[in-house]
Amino acid sequence: EVQLVESGGGLVQPGRSLRLACATSGFTLGDYAVSWVRQAPGKGLEWLGFIRTKDHGGTTGYAASVKGRFSISRDESKSIAYLQMNSLKTEDTAVYYCARGSSSYYEGLLDYWGRGTLVTVSS
Amino acid sequence: DIVMTQSPDSLAVSLGERATIKCKSSQSVLYSPNNKNYLAWYQQKPGQPPKLLISWASTRESGVPERFSGSGSGTDFTLTISSLQAEDVAVYYCHQYYATPLFTFGPGTKVDIK
Repeated sequence: EVQLVESGGGLVQPGRSLRLACATSGFTLGDYAVSWVRQAPGKGLEWLGFIRTKDHGGTTGYAASVKGRFSISRDESKSIAYLQMNSLKTEDTAVYYCARGSSSYYEGLLDYWGRGTLVTVSS
Repeated sequence: DIVMTQSPDSLAVSLGERATIKCKSSQSVLYSPNNKNYLAWYQQKPGQPPKLLISWASTRESGVPERFSGSGSGTDFTLTISSLQAEDVAVYYCHQYYATPLFTFGPGTKVDIK
């Protein structure tokens, strides 16, 4: 059974950093892309970025809104993907989801999602 | 970036009636070599993560009731719920996965019972 479980959320002060983890099971992490998507309170979904499959060199891509501040990585030996968030702002407050791309060819089609982890940026 | 818009922002439909949601992309999401529209629909119920309902503009995912259907091509797409059920109350998002690596979601349409 495919599962993704996010962790690492919590309360953090503006300007600080936080690393979220996405523990995966039921599939080989390097064979699928993993995207991070967030949802601010009462708002819609915002795609943040992804890490591509091994076939695509494991490269990363980011939305303009977070490029340069957020970075995505993975540890295939642990089946965990990470979202490193730096220089956090109050507007980064949101539920953060990780989601799996459905195949190596269709990395943006998100077929399985975690339940999310809440990040609150506040002083 | 491809900008996705949806209409209406919200709608209320009587049980058993049809609900129709529109989605428009600022650029075509039709990939000519395979003639596929890189457009998906997600359903999100309160307190839950999004759930993939429809991929390739019109392909229902396994287990999705037949009352859900998707149509359209290029830049204009529609999600139809043919006979609204109570459990369909949710926010629905369209999503383009054409423009690697800049995928984008629509703003969402909230569906309620009238």
